[in-house]
Amino acid sequence: GAVVSQHPSWVICKSGTSVKIECRSLDFQATTMFWYRQFPKQSLMLMATSNEGSKATYEQGVEKDKFLINHASLTLSTLTVTSAHPEDSSFYICSARGDRGGEKLFFGSGTQLSVL
Amino acid sequence: AQRVTQPEKLLSVFKGAPVELKCNYSYSGSPELFWYVQYSRQRLQLLLRHISRESIKGFTADLNKGETSFHLKKPFAQEEDSAMYYCAPGFYGNNRLAFGKGNQVVVIP
Repeated sequence: GAVVSQHPSWVICKSGTSVKIECRSLDFQATTMFWYRQFPKQSLMLMATSNEGSKATYEQGVEKDKFLINHASLTLSTLTVTSAHPEDSSFYICSARGDRGGEKLFFGSGTQLSVL
Repeated sequence: AQRVTQPEKLLSVFKGAPVELKCNYSYSGSPELFWYVQYSRQRLQLLLRHISRESIKGFTADLNKGETSFHLKKPFAQEEDSAMYYCAPGFYGNNRLAFGKGNQVVVIP
């Protein structure tokens, strides 16, 4: 089946620094990618929807200047957490929808971000 | 607003007992609905989709348009079914996909 690679799987950073998370579709072209945030034992919270070549659509309450999303190619989307603070510590998950499987989504393995 | 509701956050069942996870949606038109599962320390994966009737591990779900429901069922729970289950509508609006709050299922041996 289709594979989505998310990197890094975990990252620790100091408060005030920026962190970039990559999401790659390895064997298909992802026309749409989604970024989610998940707190322990909580549901996935959709942060933004990213379509290749256009600006991401952010959900209400998600700061677009804080969480920069770039989807410059059909196989790569990045999420950059700018000026990270401890409250940004969370599990971030990407998913991709592409030319395989129609409406089916394929998920990355997630990135655990810890901001000190 | 378009949304999906999963009322029970935690469901504990004994091995061999039936499992039913409720999902209600509020959408106009005919959505395509999915159930996704997240096992401990694993990524989310598709469990079942409405249109293709794809299913794994013995789970089924019927779309009831009258009740706007897409409940997930399995007649006999297994220990390996312990996981987090998410109901998700098909894509809508600006190609968005949001998940329900999820159900934590614990199967007691």
